[in-house]
Amino acid sequence: GQSLEQPSEVTAVEGAIVQINCTYQTSGFYGLSWYQQHDGGAPTFLSYNALDGLEETGRFSSFLSRSDSYGYLLLQELQMKDSASYFCAVNQAGTALIFGKGTTLSVSS
Amino acid sequence: NAGVTQTPKFRVLKTGQSMTLLCAQDMNHEYMYWYRQDPGMGLRLIHYSVGEGTTAKGEVPDGYNVSRLKKQNFLLGLESAAPSQTSVYFCACAGTDGELFFGEGSRLTVL
Repeated sequence: GQSLEQPSEVTAVEGAIVQINCTYQTSGFYGLSWYQQHDGGAPTFLSYNALDGLEETGRFSSFLSRSDSYGYLLLQELQMKDSASYFCAVNQAGTALIFGKGTTLSVSS
Repeated sequence: NAGVTQTPKFRVLKTGQSMTLLCAQDMNHEYMYWYRQDPGMGLRLIHYSVGEGTTAKGEVPDGYNVSRLKKQNFLLGLESAAPSQTSVYFCACAGTDGELFFGEGSRLTVL
């Protein structure tokens, strides 16, 4: 089977840096993705790591360690609009994407 | 360019009724997916398709059927709805790079 573990909630203040961790157990691992979802909306793609290391996209970065079955999403210079749910997802066998239960990020002023 | 369109967006059913959710994509992507989202449970994969005429079971397939007769459409059917199927259903499509594009969701309530 497969499982993904991520914290259920994280809180931070504007301008801060926050890291959301994700550990996974799965067969046929191809890569780790991150998605953002605002209340009532559709999930939107943030990043994808197929290889070990750090991927940077603006204020967001994502890291993967395949040997540790671990990844994280790093959000810098937090803004109120970053308050949302964040999901890690494993790309299994190149076809199916299995999601974690999500982390709710609350950013306060 | 609409991307991924789901219909209907809202529906209320009685236990035992049947219905079909339609997902249409204009992105020419091979892969299509149906997920359900419940509070605290994240997105759970119901069924998916890697191409026209093919379907496969995901994590929670029981009580659902799917069909992919045309590349651009992926249908999710509930033959006999149950209250446990009250949920928000998301359709998504993906190309070979794996990035998923989601529809806006269909909110289903089964009484």
